[in-house]
Amino acid sequence: EDQVTQSPEALRLQEGESSSLNCSYTVSGLRGLFWYRQDPGKGPEFLFTLYSAGEEKEKERLKATLTKKESFLHITAPKPEDSATYLCAVQDSGGSYIPTFGRGTSLIVHP
Amino acid sequence: ETGVTQTPRHLVMGMTNKKSLKCEQHLGHNAMYWYKQSAKKPLELMFVYNFKEQTENNSVPSRFSPECPNSSHLFLHLHTLQPEDSALYLCASSQEGGGGTGELFFGEGSRLTVL
Repeated sequence: EDQVTQSPEALRLQEGESSSLNCSYTVSGLRGLFWYRQDPGKGPEFLFTLYSAGEEKEKERLKATLTKKESFLHITAPKPEDSATYLCAVQDSGGSYIPTFGRGTSLIVHP
Repeated sequence: ETGVTQTPRHLVMGMTNKKSLKCEQHLGHNAMYWYKQSAKKPLELMFVYNFKEQTENNSVPSRFSPECPNSSHLFLHLHTLQPEDSALYLCASSQEGGGGTGELFFGEGSRLTVL
């Protein structure tokens, strides 16, 4: 059974204090790993897709990286508007195309 | 209009009411999903439709009844709900096969409160 574990559950940062969120996964084969951002009371917004170990993608202050067992979402010099819940999801190449989601990391960036 | 649109955004209903949630996608996708999101829990997959055919029913109680009349529209009919069904209900779409990359595009959600 696929498993996706995100840590930490919650993270509080000061503005400008860089950090990383972790998503560890267990699948028979990885078809894709996805990162989403979710603001309170809204639907998740797609950020990145990663397909193979060593791949990296960037968007503004966010950079996602992937290994064979986990993915990191690095946040460089965060701003208060980066506060949100970040969700990770994986697709198993050996099973259904439907992604399995983790519980998310709630990020709060204080000014 | 673009993206995935859900209506209503907020719904309050009694346990004996019948109501429906509506979702419409303007992305030309072939798969549509209903998810339930409760506090402190991961997204719970409820139903999946691919080319209007239901391909997943994740052991959802019969008081939730989905309907997919075409690839662009998805409904969730609600009947005799329980207070524990109060949650954010999210609709999503994706393009599967034929070069689709698998990412989901979500609507803003329908916040349901059952009294």
